[in-house]
Amino acid sequence: GQNIDQPTEMTATEGAIVQINCTYQTSGFNGLFWYQQHAGEAPTFLSYNVLDGLEEKGRFSSFLSRSKGYSYLLLKELQMKDSASYLCAVRDRSGGSYIPTFGRGTSLIVHP
Amino acid sequence: DVKVTQSSRYLVKRTGEKVFLECVQDMDHENMFWYRQDPGLGLRLIYFSYDVKMKEKGDIPEGYSVSREKKERFSLILESASTNQTSMYLCASSYTGGNSNYGYTFGSGTRLTVV
Repeated sequence: GQNIDQPTEMTATEGAIVQINCTYQTSGFNGLFWYQQHAGEAPTFLSYNVLDGLEEKGRFSSFLSRSKGYSYLLLKELQMKDSASYLCAVRDRSGGSYIPTFGRGTSLIVHP
Repeated sequence: DVKVTQSSRYLVKRTGEKVFLECVQDMDHENMFWYRQDPGLGLRLIYFSYDVKMKEKGDIPEGYSVSREKKERFSLILESASTNQTSMYLCASSYTGGNSNYGYTFGSGTRLTVV
């Protein structure tokens, strides 16, 4: 299986930039996902990385380094509505199941 | 708009009851999943299914069973509910293919309380 580690909680100021890190250990890496989950709601898909580098999507970007077992989600121009939990999930092809394993999530609090 | 629909948003059941949680998706996805989400523990996989009538155990299948008689519907069954099964239950679906860059689509969740 995978060991996925992300900070439990982060705080940031509206308009600022925040980076949420995710480290993982896996024997058959096959992609990394980021999801956003507002309190009481379902997770929604944000990004997918399978190759090294930065994927940019509007205010959100996601970076992957496979050799380091490391990813981050970068949120720019923070808005109050970005207050949510951010879940890192890693897919492993070993065993053939291709089922992503989720980290415990990072709760981001954006304050004025 | 594509959807995964869970039949109930909130449920309260008594210890020992048989509980059915229903999930329906309209995206013609092959794969369907049931997770539970608890504070500090994150999302944990209970069961998943790659095809009709097919099921595989996830990380925490004890106390649960599933049924997939039709492609669009995946049911989670608690044979005899216990208080430690109080949790948020999330259904998800996805396209098949190990290299797919499609993430999961999740339902809105069912918050189950067992008293």
